[in-house]
Amino acid sequence: DTGVSQDPRHKITKRGQNVTFRCDPISEHNRLYWYRQTLGQGPEFLTYFQNEAQLEKSRLLSDRFSAERPKGSFSTLEIQRTEQGDSAMYLCATGTEKREKLFFGSGTQLSVL
Amino acid sequence: DAKTTQPTSMDCAEGRAANLPCNHSTISGNEYVYWYRQIHSQGPQYIIHGLKNNETNEMASLIITEDRKSSTLILPHATLRDTAVYYCIVRVALVDNYGQNFVFGPGTRLSVLP
Repeated sequence: DTGVSQDPRHKITKRGQNVTFRCDPISEHNRLYWYRQTLGQGPEFLTYFQNEAQLEKSRLLSDRFSAERPKGSFSTLEIQRTEQGDSAMYLCATGTEKREKLFFGSGTQLSVL
Repeated sequence: DAKTTQPTSMDCAEGRAANLPCNHSTISGNEYVYWYRQIHSQGPQYIIHGLKNNETNEMASLIITEDRKSSTLILPHATLRDTAVYYCIVRVALVDNYGQNFVFGPGTRLSVLP
């Protein structure tokens, strides 16, 4: 257990539905990253927060995706109008600039039917 | 795109040293080499990182060539639990950047065999 919690662990949804994932970081970590990982590939960066500010977004983050981190604590990633291509593992990672390592959660596995 | 190249897969006998190579010929002077691994159905786990000196911790050793164009991660006594995908990443230190993300390639799938 790294201390980074993600919920839910698994999500099955029908195409067109909206889904929301949550990440609870280690309490003192001010940096929070979202990644997406498909089978056989390494994680792909989606977006980054420093405290509550979203400082970087990948072009992978289409307008159907939105992420928030209110008050610089937990973060949510919402996907609207899900498509089958959104099926993937969604990973959250947190850290601080004082330590040279990121701590990853176990991820949320999304299946869009 | 990832700045590193790694073999797709490797096998290692249990109890033997596992040596995982990584090429990063375009590495910049302020970029570190990081290694993470990912065991099935879990998030990536930090292993070790270094700039130019060799590094060792409780998990592994990192050997970086003098020209810094390649490195090797060494697991001294591999166990079955070390079976995982190992990722080599180069990037500037977290303390020196404002959120530059880690770029993961496909990594090396290490299978430790009994």
